[in-house]
Amino acid sequence: GDSVTQMEGPVTLSEEAFLTINCTYTATGYPSLFWYVQYPGEGLQLLLKATKADDKGSNKGFEATYRKETTSFHLEKGSVQVSDSAVYFCALISSGAGSYQLTFGKGTKLSVIP
Amino acid sequence: DTEVTQTPKHLVMGMTNKKSLKCEQHMGHRAMYWYKQKAKKPPELMFVYSYEKLSINESVPSRFSPECPNSSLLNLHLHALQPEDSALYLCASSLLDSSGNTIYFGEGSWLTVV
Repeated sequence: GDSVTQMEGPVTLSEEAFLTINCTYTATGYPSLFWYVQYPGEGLQLLLKATKADDKGSNKGFEATYRKETTSFHLEKGSVQVSDSAVYFCALISSGAGSYQLTFGKGTKLSVIP
Repeated sequence: DTEVTQTPKHLVMGMTNKKSLKCEQHMGHRAMYWYKQKAKKPPELMFVYSYEKLSINESVPSRFSPECPNSSLLNLHLHALQPEDSALYLCASSLLDSSGNTIYFGEGSWLTVV
């Protein structure tokens, strides 16, 4: 079955540091890939997505590129802020049974210190 | 507008109570989902409704009873819950056509069973 593996945290960075959170996947076909972010005490927000190979998703300074050859979708940001402290989930989507289903990684908790 | 609205945000209930969680979206999405999220874990799928019909039930105990009154509303009826059912309950929705492969989440309802 489909699976997503992401680096487990917690990750602690100083403000303005470079961020990379690794994510690799196993899936049949060509799934769409997502990064969701969950701020403390809140629900999941869609951060960015990519629907086909070599697509780059970007939002709020975060980027991730869909790499089919390495089955990866690593999340990057050039300069993190304290407000980026959250849990980040990599996910892929597959279709079946008349709907879409998400497969999540285990999540990576990011803490950014001033 | 990609908003999924959930009420209440917080709910405390006894093990003999009956309560309901509510979810609403006005994006024209025809798939709606309930997820359960425990602390430090990714969300787990509970139920999926497609075109107002239950299409997926991930072996959820009968003390959780979903209902989809119309294409915009989704309820989760709760009865005789156990303390281990305390969690964040997330509602989500998506389109069902080939372009609709993005699932949008609400802010969640924090449930505590005492």
